[in-house]
Amino acid sequence: GESVGLHLPTLSVQEGDNSIINCAYSNSASDYFIWYKQESGKGPQFIIDIRSNMDKRQGQRVTVLLNKTVKHLSLQIAATQPGDSAVYFCAENGSGTYKYIFGTGTRLKVLA
Amino acid sequence: GAVVSQHPSWVICKSGTSVKIECRSLDFQATTMFWYRQFPKQSLMLMATSNEGSKATYEQGVEKDKFLINHASLTLSTLTVTSAHPEDSSFYICSAVKGENTEAFFGQGTRLTVV
Repeated sequence: GESVGLHLPTLSVQEGDNSIINCAYSNSASDYFIWYKQESGKGPQFIIDIRSNMDKRQGQRVTVLLNKTVKHLSLQIAATQPGDSAVYFCAENGSGTYKYIFGTGTRLKVLA
Repeated sequence: GAVVSQHPSWVICKSGTSVKIECRSLDFQATTMFWYRQFPKQSLMLMATSNEGSKATYEQGVEKDKFLINHASLTLSTLTVTSAHPEDSSFYICSAVKGENTEAFFGQGTRLTVV
């Protein structure tokens, strides 16, 4: 596979604080990006997406930022809640393909 | 949102036997389905891309004779792990897309344990 299989980094955040999860993507030709949340033993759930013609997109409590110059994607979660504890993955999709490549993932731990 | 159903959610099989995992898009027709494998505390590794009516495209290092993929219709893809061995134990996840550059919808995953 093309995704790197490394042990997941962990981000610990106090409940109520904002979280920022970062992702470096690999293909400069990718033009569609998604953030997924995965809870233990379950499949990934869609959170928010962004296309390459945008640099910011907001959802409910979440914001995705895209910096194409340095191939960097971030997910900001406002007022982090215990239910946000999960592993977060970014995924990129190259133009003209259906293929999704996942980043290494970040485990978010929300501290009470 | 669209629903992708994966079955079974978990399976235990004996070494040397084959296991079939189904992936269905319940309320949409999927142009393409994907199969991923995920080891504990690791990311999703794409195994193969499955298009209805044609042969699957396998990622480098994935044995196509061991992981048989059949995409018989626009709503069903199956992954058969043949002659399973303990090292095949993993979490297998499928996803489906409606079209190019669109959201991928994921199944709930199948935990395979080979004993």
